[in-house]
Amino acid sequence: KQEVTQIPAALSVPEGENLVLNCSFTDSAIYNLQWFRQDPGKGLTSLLLIQSSQREQTSGRLNASLDKSSGRSTLYIAASQPGDSATYLCAAPINYGGSQGNLIFGKGTKLSVKP
Amino acid sequence: DTEVTQTPKHLVMGMTNKKSLKCEQHMGHRAMYWYKQKAKKPPELMFVYSYEKLSINESVPSRFSPECPNSSLLNLHLHALQPEDSALYLCASSQVPGPYEQYFGPGTRLTVT
Repeated sequence: KQEVTQIPAALSVPEGENLVLNCSFTDSAIYNLQWFRQDPGKGLTSLLLIQSSQREQTSGRLNASLDKSSGRSTLYIAASQPGDSATYLCAAPINYGGSQGNLIFGKGTKLSVKP
Repeated sequence: DTEVTQTPKHLVMGMTNKKSLKCEQHMGHRAMYWYKQKAKKPPELMFVYSYEKLSINESVPSRFSPECPNSSLLNLHLHALQPEDSALYLCASSQVPGPYEQYFGPGTRLTVT
């Protein structure tokens, strides 16, 4: 059964710093991994989806990597800004025959970027 | 347009009320999902609709009743809820059923009094 873990649970950095958020998963037969951002009380915004055949995906200041052999994905945020403050969640689809795309979420990393 | 809309944004209801949550997407997606998210917890899957048919019910109590009237619309009918059902209810969709990118709506914040 796929399990997804995110460490740390919270992170506080000064503005301008580059940072890395971590996501671990137990089943290396992962189909893809999706990173989301969630602002307090709001829905989820999809940031990046990285397929199992890919090593990296980039969007603006965000870069996601995937290493199936080690069961890890990282989200790199360059030159962080106060507007990046949010909770970041990673999620992987459950792996079994007939899967309908059920996503298994990590508990998230709450990021605070101080001006 | 990668937008999923949900109404209402906020809902307060008593335990004897009947209410409905609505979700809509116009991306031509054929899979739609309901998730429940409690405070400071990750979302948990409730239901999956594939091609307008209920394909997954994650052992959700019968006081939650989903409905998919057409390929663009997903409803969640609520009846006789408990205070512990208070949560953020999120709707999502993907192009087809399966491990594909999911797009989420803004959610409905439900409070049961």
